[in-house]
Amino acid sequence: EDKVVQSPLSLVVHEGDTVTLNCSYEVTNFRSLLWYKQEKKAPTFLFMLTSSGIEKKSGRLSSILDKKELFSILNITATQTGDSAVYLCAEGNSGNTPLVFGKGTRLSVIA
Amino acid sequence: KAGVTQTPRYLIKTRGQQVTLSCSPISGHRSVSWYQQTPGQGLQFLFEYFSETQRNKGNFPGRFSGRQFSNSRSEMNVSTLELGDSALYLCASSSIPELDTQYFGPGTRLTVL
Repeated sequence: EDKVVQSPLSLVVHEGDTVTLNCSYEVTNFRSLLWYKQEKKAPTFLFMLTSSGIEKKSGRLSSILDKKELFSILNITATQTGDSAVYLCAEGNSGNTPLVFGKGTRLSVIA
Repeated sequence: KAGVTQTPRYLIKTRGQQVTLSCSPISGHRSVSWYQQTPGQGLQFLFEYFSETQRNKGNFPGRFSGRQFSNSRSEMNVSTLELGDSALYLCASSSIPELDTQYFGPGTRLTVL
């Protein structure tokens, strides 16, 4: 069973729309929740959320962590075609275990 | 600072051959992780190295191996290639393993014919 589950798997929106991407995770030894954007090759780091930092914002992108319900959302407002990418979330755990990635949400923004 | 670099960027091999991929982390980063990315499975963890020691290994067969050198550069090797090994192999570095923020290289696209 997947430990990190992202939804939806894919999404098509028009420029200017606001989108919300979801990521649910497991609580065992939770340490961090990370978001990455992958356009062609290398995933690029967006945000890291922890118990001490549950909300992050950068320009049109923002993310929150709900520690009670065990999920995170990534919000993108006023979407642009350049936002088209696969968005990955990953959970970091304490206890010498590697990051666990979800399968990603493919976002397509059309003009 | 230069980012994570990976060589080669593209590789075509035939079944049964072996391949070695290289990764140079960001200067000062001592932790290197390798991932296999395929359309169906997403990012699958292969190994993590820190200070020349393998800290974690994913659920891959023994044909997949890796190592890290004293300058933190890392290599991964796949022997007896199979068609299913065709994938994008990504390397990521972080300063220490406990810092979860990893920075990815551009990847090596391996095609097995």
